[in-house]
Amino acid sequence: AQKVTQAQTEISVVEKEDVTLDCVYETRDTTYYLFWYKQPPSGELVFLIRRNSFDEQNEISGRYSWNFQKSTSSFNFTITASQVVDSAVYFCALSEGESGSARQLTFGSGTQLTVLP
Amino acid sequence: ETGVTQTPRHLVMGMTNKKSLKCEQHLGHNAMYWYKQSAKKPLELMFVYSLEERVENNSVPSRFSPECPNSSHLFLHLHTLQPEDSALYLCASSYGQGAGEKLFFGSGTQLSVL
Repeated sequence: AQKVTQAQTEISVVEKEDVTLDCVYETRDTTYYLFWYKQPPSGELVFLIRRNSFDEQNEISGRYSWNFQKSTSSFNFTITASQVVDSAVYFCALSEGESGSARQLTFGSGTQLTVLP
Repeated sequence: ETGVTQTPRHLVMGMTNKKSLKCEQHLGHNAMYWYKQSAKKPLELMFVYSLEERVENNSVPSRFSPECPNSSHLFLHLHTLQPEDSALYLCASSYGQGAGEKLFFGSGTQLSVL
């Protein structure tokens, strides 16, 4: 069975600090997809990134970067020079690929990030 | 593009009321989902429709009744709810149903059952 653990329930940082959100996953499939979604106070989850299990290349998008390490089953998310607008709940999610579908997407419990001015 | 729109944003209902949540997507997607988000719990998938056919029903109580009249609209009909049903109900859509599909979410309906 697939499982996603986000051990950090809440994180608070001061603006311009870097912050890393941890995500650890469990799956028996060799093919799977990992996602990060952001949920701002307005409520809607916004897709940030998707990674498949065969692509371990780290990715950077502006102030956001993702570190995918299969050896430790982790897919961590770093925000550099955080801003108040980054305050949100961030969800990591996993979907097994070999026989899975989007409806079998498993979400972690989320990390509430608060960036203080 | 307006993406996925949910109405109402907030709903307060008594345990004997009947109400409906509405979701509309303008993305040309073929699959639509209802999720329940309760405090301190991971998102729970309730229902999935693909091309207007229900393909997933995750043991949701019968007091929740989904309807998908076409690929752009999704409803969740509510009746005789319980206080523990109070939660944020999120609608989502995706182009396909593959494991790598990304979901597009609405802003949700915050439901309070008194």
